[in-house]
Amino acid sequence: DIQMTQSPSSLSASVGDRVTITCRASQSISSFLDWYQQKPGKAPKVLIYGAFSLQSGVPSRFSGSGSGTDFTLTISSLQPEDAATYYCQQGNSLPYTFGQGTKVEIK
Amino acid sequence: QVQLQQWGAGLLKPSETLSLTCSVYGGSFSGYYWSWIRQSPGKGLEWIGEINQSGFTNYNPSLKSRVTISVDTSKNQFSLRLSSVTAADAAVYYCAKRNRGTGGTYYFGYWGQGTLVTVSS
Repeated sequence: DIQMTQSPSSLSASVGDRVTITCRASQSISSFLDWYQQKPGKAPKVLIYGAFSLQSGVPSRFSGSGSGTDFTLTISSLQPEDAATYYCQQGNSLPYTFGQGTKVEIK
Repeated sequence: QVQLQQWGAGLLKPSETLSLTCSVYGGSFSGYYWSWIRQSPGKGLEWIGEINQSGFTNYNPSLKSRVTISVDTSKNQFSLRLSSVTAADAAVYYCAKRNRGTGGTYYFGYWGQGTLVTVSS
């Protein structure tokens, strides 16, 4: 199985800050990397697919980059509603696997 | 708008079989893969397996010996059965649709509301 490792595990930032979350795959996954946002009691919601494609309806402050083994999710200007846990997921090979999550808190 | 609605027993005894069903409303049922994913505090998000409208399945090898995913295209439903459950199988279980993105990419675009499954004697 491809292991997905996210860092940091948690972070606290102020409204308006630029926030970066990284995801590393244990082997190359090309651009088959998706990012999800999950709020308590809710199912995950896709933000970015294919490493950098913004899902329809998702605010443009979210962006993704990377290919191969190293990927980044960036929130350009953190908003209060962005408090959530973020997960990366690889779709390059079965079984699909997720990172352990990054919890984002607002200071 | 696509909606996934899931149901099934939420309290099981060890060694029993977990059974969940997911109904798909809106959009096309054919031409997509339909997945089950679970989430527990200890193991995070774990993909269980998927099925398409023809009944072709892929399973996570870690669960393959105990998992069966089936489909009923006449009802736009798919189901999960997980046999011989233990406390390690306690989790929130989600059904999800794998959407096509651009450039041959796919992602879990629609999710069910989740079902909390507890395993206790």
